[in-house]
Amino acid sequence: RKEVEQDPGPFNVPEGATVAFNCTYSNSASQSFFWYRQDCRKEPKLLMSVYSSGNEDGRFTAQLNRASQYISLLIRDSKLSDSATYLCVVNGDDYKLSFGAGTTVTVRA
Amino acid sequence: DAGVTQSPTHLIKTRGQHVTLRCSPISGHKSVSWYQQVLGQGPQFIFQYYEKEERGRGNFPDRFSARQFPNYSSELNVNALLLGDSALYLCASSLEWQGLYQPQHFGDGTRLSIL
Repeated sequence: RKEVEQDPGPFNVPEGATVAFNCTYSNSASQSFFWYRQDCRKEPKLLMSVYSSGNEDGRFTAQLNRASQYISLLIRDSKLSDSATYLCVVNGDDYKLSFGAGTTVTVRA
Repeated sequence: DAGVTQSPTHLIKTRGQHVTLRCSPISGHKSVSWYQQVLGQGPQFIFQYYEKEERGRGNFPDRFSARQFPNYSSELNVNALLLGDSALYLCASSLEWQGLYQPQHFGDGTRLSIL
């Protein structure tokens, strides 16, 4: 079983729509959680950390469910510039980052 | 301030050769990690270094090695290159190597192609 699993998508949504997707992780001892975004052939860039109580950064909302071992990301009022691959990242008790394969989001005009 | 810098940006090698990739972390960051990203997959952890010592190693063969220098820059070496080593190699730096919510910041990567 992979350490971090994501729905690969693609999620194809119109501008202004809301899109949400999850990832699951296998190591119950995982301590830190992040969402990174990666544009085509570019490096991953930190989008936001995911805290236990859930957190929001502008149009982006992240939730963590430790009991069910999943993390979610919701994007409101989608923009064309939100088109990217979103990587779910989990930092285990050994402080190594484990990446999911990514969820592709395409926002169309 | 400069971000994480990697060199070279692109590299073409043939099977059996070896390669050295270089990385300079963000100023003040003491930890450097290396990742391999194959097309269509997320980055896979190779090594993490902190204060010149290896702090973590992923599931990669002994052909892969790395080191960190006193100025916190790092090199990744791959010997006896195989076709399957073709990938984007990413370097990431963070302030420390352990502790909660130590986000890692990535360089642009080195795109390695093996012919």
